[in-house]
Amino acid sequence: AQSVSQHNHHVILSEAASLELGCNYSYGGTVNLFWYVQYPGQHLQLLLKYFSGDPLVKGIKGFEAEFIKSKFSFNLRKPSVQWSDTAEYFCAVLMDSSYKLIFGSGTRLLVRP
Amino acid sequence: GAVVSQHPSWVICKSGTSVKIECRSLDFQATTMFWYRQFPKQSLMLMATSNEGSKATYEQGVEKDKFLINHASLTLSTLTVTSAHPEDSSFYICSAGGGGHTGELFFGEGSRLTVL
Repeated sequence: AQSVSQHNHHVILSEAASLELGCNYSYGGTVNLFWYVQYPGQHLQLLLKYFSGDPLVKGIKGFEAEFIKSKFSFNLRKPSVQWSDTAEYFCAVLMDSSYKLIFGSGTRLLVRP
Repeated sequence: GAVVSQHPSWVICKSGTSVKIECRSLDFQATTMFWYRQFPKQSLMLMATSNEGSKATYEQGVEKDKFLINHASLTLSTLTVTSAHPEDSSFYICSAGGGGHTGELFFGEGSRLTVL
């Protein structure tokens, strides 16, 4: 069955620490990949997306993600986190150019000032 | 990005009553809208896909007679929770695609339903 896995459910970091959140999917066909962020009390917002081309994608607020096709992964990274990055992060995958988004279980990030 | 709005953002109802939640795409025409349910500390679970002018497609395990979805226009989809029970209490989120934003979905603010 198609699925998306996020390995870290809770991450706690201090400000200026580097961040990497894992995301793996199980599907052998064409995929479009997304990272969404949900700040406390707010709705989901798109952080970045990969459709094709350069597998290293840069998003808003200094986030980036790398698509590694051979590993079925799309990990999210940020070199130096800020307190304002405290949020829940969801990896999501569109399979075969459909609109049916499959979400990972989410990772709650807490950044301590 | 495009804007999707949900209403109401918060609703409390008595067990046995029905509740309607609206999802509107404010600045684009959404050919497809999706309804998700999010339990506390869990991810979004896709409930159904609605296409304008046709019947919704429900995911496995979602009762279509309980969660009625209507997508009457390109800017409005509604989710009606019929004969609500406490176990239906949850956070319901809609998203919309189309309008030239290929492959990208835009999410509403969510509607928190509490059934007493």
